Amino acid sequence: DIQMTQSPSSLSASVGDRVTITCRASQSISIYLNWYQQKPGKAPKLLIHAASRLQSGIPSRFSGSGSGTDFTLTISSLQREDFATYYCQRSYSTPTFAFGQGTKLEIK
Amino acid sequence: QPQLQESGPGLVKPSETLSLTCTVSGGSISSSSYYWGWIRQPPGKGLEWIGSIYRSGSTYYNPSLKSRVTMSVDKPKNQFSLKVTSVTAADTAVYYCATIGGLDWGYINDYWGQGTLVIVSS
Repeated sequence: DIQMTQSPSSLSASVGDRVTITCRASQSISIYLNWYQQKPGKAPKLLIHAASRLQSGIPSRFSGSGSGTDFTLTISSLQREDFATYYCQRSYSTPTFAFGQGTKLEIK
Repeated sequence: QPQLQESGPGLVKPSETLSLTCTVSGGSISSSSYYWGWIRQPPGKGLEWIGSIYRSGSTYYNPSLKSRVTMSVDKPKNQFSLKVTSVTAADTAVYYCATIGGLDWGYINDYWGQGTLVIVSS
């Protein structure tokens, strides 16, 4: 089974900072990689699919890159509303999934 | 766009069966556009995919839960359901239902319910 590992597990940053979160798959998953944002007490929200495709309505300060086993989520200029937990998710050609363990982004 | 709402008991005894239902509004469970899925999140922990089901009843389950999980679809009621047997405290979690949309590169969970907390305790 393909395992997803995110780093770091937590991150402190300031408004306006550029931050990058990494997700690594235990074997190649091409671009079958999604990113979600979750705020406390809320359901996750899809940000990016197919590694780099921005979901409709998501601000352009969010971007994704990567293929194969290594992927990144970048927030170009942090806004206060971006402080949340971020998850990568392996999808596939069938509707099966695996999540990374999450990265908690906190205000410095 | 679909709206989803989970329902079911908030407290289940160890060794018993957890049963949840997801009611879909603003869309049809018979739509060819979606699979339907369950995802859970233990308190303070990460997300775990449980399983996916299509309108036909075809299913995909997380291998780690497959022996204890059953999903089903009720088209007249526009609902889908989850059963987890022989529960333990490790099954305590917020359970989310979600749509599963297929794209040219993989699948996504684009619409989610608000989640329901299920506690396993005697």
